Amino acid sequence: AQSVSQHNHHVILSEAASLELGCNYSYGGTVNLFWYVQYPGQHLQLLLKYFSGDPLVKGIKGFEAEFIKSKFSFNLRKPSVQWSDTAEYFCAVNALSNLFFGTGTRLTVIP
Amino acid sequence: NAGVTQTPKFQVLKTGQSMTLQCAQDMNHEYMSWYRQDPGMGLRLIHYSVGAGITDQGEVPNGYNVSRSTTEDFPLRLLSAAPSQTSVYFCASSYSLLYLQGGELFFGEGSRLTVL
Repeated sequence: AQSVSQHNHHVILSEAASLELGCNYSYGGTVNLFWYVQYPGQHLQLLLKYFSGDPLVKGIKGFEAEFIKSKFSFNLRKPSVQWSDTAEYFCAVNALSNLFFGTGTRLTVIP
Repeated sequence: NAGVTQTPKFQVLKTGQSMTLQCAQDMNHEYMSWYRQDPGMGLRLIHYSVGAGITDQGEVPNGYNVSRSTTEDFPLRLLSAAPSQTSVYFCASSYSLLYLQGGELFFGEGSRLTVL
């Protein structure tokens, strides 16, 4: 079955720690990949996206993600997290004319 | 522009009742969709529409109906509410499928529904 998997359900980090959130997808063919963020009490916002070209893409607020085609992965990274990064993060794939989301990873950053 | 507006923001229903979640956008977007968000399950696509008069099913359409009589509105109807439909519902829109492919999806603020 086609799916988007996020294996980390809840990640707790101290400020300044490095972050890596995993995302794997199982859609075949060419896909566009995204990370969205949902801050507490807010709706989803686009964090970054990958269409083609350089597999390392940079987004807002110091986030970046790396596309590894052979692993069907699109992991999100940030070298040094801040308390304000506390949010839920969703990986998404554009396929079959729609956006399909992963289960989400809740990130809690402790000051 | 108000963006994507959902009403109501909160609703409590009894099992078997019906209701409609309203969604309106003022951005002249062709594409509109409904997602439900549940803990540990992320966002799942219920129904979507690529234009007025055109609707299609997403991942979890059972128990829900939609219609798209105008470009602006995309209501979601629960025909006979069940406790399993307790969730947060998000309406989202995009200018077109091409923009959707680019991740340009605008979300409403969500509607929290509890079915007792």
